[in-house]
This record gives sequence, structure tokens and C-alpha cells, in this order.
Amino acid sequence: GAGVSQSPSNKVTEKGKDVELRCDPISGHTALYWYRQSLGQGLEFLIYFQGNSAPDKSGLPSDRFSAERTGGSVSTLTIQRTQQEDSAVYLCASSLSSLATDTQYFGPGTRLTVL
Amino acid sequence: SQQGEEDPQALSIQEGENATMNCSYKTSINNLQWYRQNSGRGLVHLILIRSNEREKHSGRLRVTLDTSKKSSSLLITASRAADTASYFCATPRGSNYKLTFGKGTLLTVNP
Repeated sequence: GAGVSQSPSNKVTEKGKDVELRCDPISGHTALYWYRQSLGQGLEFLIYFQGNSAPDKSGLPSDRFSAERTGGSVSTLTIQRTQQEDSAVYLCASSLSSLATDTQYFGPGTRLTVL
Repeated sequence: SQQGEEDPQALSIQEGENATMNCSYKTSINNLQWYRQNSGRGLVHLILIRSNEREKHSGRLRVTLDTSKKSSSLLITASRAADTASYFCATPRGSNYKLTFGKGTLLTVNP
């Protein structure tokens, strides 16, 4: 079956612009995660969705970052008024449920470059 | 903050040799997972070892876990050029789903 897909694969934007990154999880997976990978910071957890529960936003670095998940499937990560430090690869993952032992399947990522 | 720390940061070996990477972590864990990443993009889950397990095998991969030393190792036997990638250990925070990753080991397998 299809894996996790993300779009766009690359995004170049100017400082101050808003960007939207999209994630299509594996069909049937109830849990969805966003991570960010940047030089010097490694992989950081950003936000987590599980079914209809309120998302865990504890990893979002600032209020410029927001995410939503519509219909329990597709998710969009929005970054408003982008800054150069937002440049990173944004990775989405999904898992069957939210158990700590559930494998998280990652998408190919979106490389964001803020000029 | 980083939970896992991989060692070494970079490793270069010849095809056919074995590669060993280590991971140390700080707090108690439910399980420890190893991932591979090619060319800085998507991560591929390799293996999960639970806290009550000491060793686990999957194909050419062997993972050990020593909870008393808070460390794990990943051994890749008979390496191939296609094994060239970055390898990360990851741990859920407590029994939680949030994975905390180390900074990874860059493995280069020379043909």
C-alpha cells in the first residue's frame, strides 16, 4: 500500500511569507505526527494528532506554527511570517495507534528554505 | 533536549565489514528504536527493542539494550554500499508516543 506522502517536496519562500505543508498519512492510521529536522537541532517533535482528541502541540516552537488535521486524515502544517531559522526539513509520520510501541512511518519530508 | 546520543558521529568502513553504532540515553525507557535516513529525507524504521529485552535480530541487524548502562548498540553485519545512511536511535518519552531522537551516526560504506 501507499506510504506517507508529503507535499511539496521542496519549498523556497521569502522571509515573512506564510507557508503550508501537507501530509497524507497511511490509510487507517489514527495517529499523525509532525517533526522538524534542522542542522544543529536534530529531529524535534512538533505536534501530534490522535483520532478526534485534542492535538498535543507541546513541541511547536512559536505561535507562528499551527497545524490541523481534517477528517482524521490529511494534515496541514502552517508557518506564518516565516523566519530564516524556520529553514529545515519537516517530516510527517503516522502510526496505527498512539502506543509507544507502534511503529511510526515517515514521509519523505518537505525541505523548507526561507530566504 | 536530546534523549539519545549516538556514537560515533561518523563511521567509514569497507564493504563486507561490520559496523557498530552506539546510543546512550538519560531517562528510563519503554523501548528504544533505530531508524535509518538516506540523503537527509524520510526515516525508515529498522527495529524496536523493548526495555525487557536484551538483544534482538532482524536480518543483518543486531540490536542490544543494556538498561543498567542506559545504552544500546546497533550492529550491521556484512555491510553493503546501500547501507550508507544516517542511523538514529529514538526513544518514546516515558510511555508516551513522542519520539526523541539522537543526532545520528553517519555511516559510509565504501565499495
